[in-house]
Amino acid sequence: DSGVTQTPKHLITATGQRVTLRCSPRSGDLSVYWYQQSLDQGLQFLIQYYNGEERAKGNILERFSAQQFPDLHSELNLSSLELGDSALYFCASTGGLAGVPDTQYFGPGTRLTVL
Amino acid sequence: AQKITQTQPGMFVQEKEAVTLDCTYDTSDPSYGLFWYKQPSSGEMIFLIYQGSYDQQNATEGRYSLNFQKARKSANLVISASQLGDSAMYFCAMREGPRSGYSTLTFGKGTMLLVSP
Repeated sequence: DSGVTQTPKHLITATGQRVTLRCSPRSGDLSVYWYQQSLDQGLQFLIQYYNGEERAKGNILERFSAQQFPDLHSELNLSSLELGDSALYFCASTGGLAGVPDTQYFGPGTRLTVL
Repeated sequence: AQKITQTQPGMFVQEKEAVTLDCTYDTSDPSYGLFWYKQPSSGEMIFLIYQGSYDQQNATEGRYSLNFQKARKSANLVISASQLGDSAMYFCAMREGPRSGYSTLTFGKGTMLLVSP
């Protein structure tokens, strides 16, 4: 168990809908990363937050947004969903004192299926 | 150019044998870190081992060791005495720049390892 939690574990929705994925980082970690993993694109970095502030952006679509709250949990919002958004979405955290510095510890992922 | 290259899409090994998964990297930064992660069929990403660019010795964690050859820019993962539970996808990743506590990582495309009885 990495200490990173993600909810929900599975999500099935329809095209055009909006969903919110939630992540709680490891205790003490200030930085949260979001990734999308699909069969054709592999593991794609989406966005990073550090202590509430957006720090780095990757291949995140404009239909997607994220935020990190004062208690350091993070949410990834996906809107106007398309079939191609079906993927495994990971949250990872780092920045605390536990573990190897800069090592990203991953949550179990949220499997999103868009029908 | 890809920053992390894993040239083996799939590898097969027999139980109890050792296996090496290849990873080459590309960076001009003198300070960097290299990571290996395991992703079993259940989907979670599990951190295995870390090597810093200034570390004098190759990293080891139990049955995992990292064969770090700086001049060749390679960071191969060696798994000794393979077990059936080692069957999984393995990802190599790199942090560029000094440790900051919040650096981003670049991941390779992964190698699928299958361990047979």
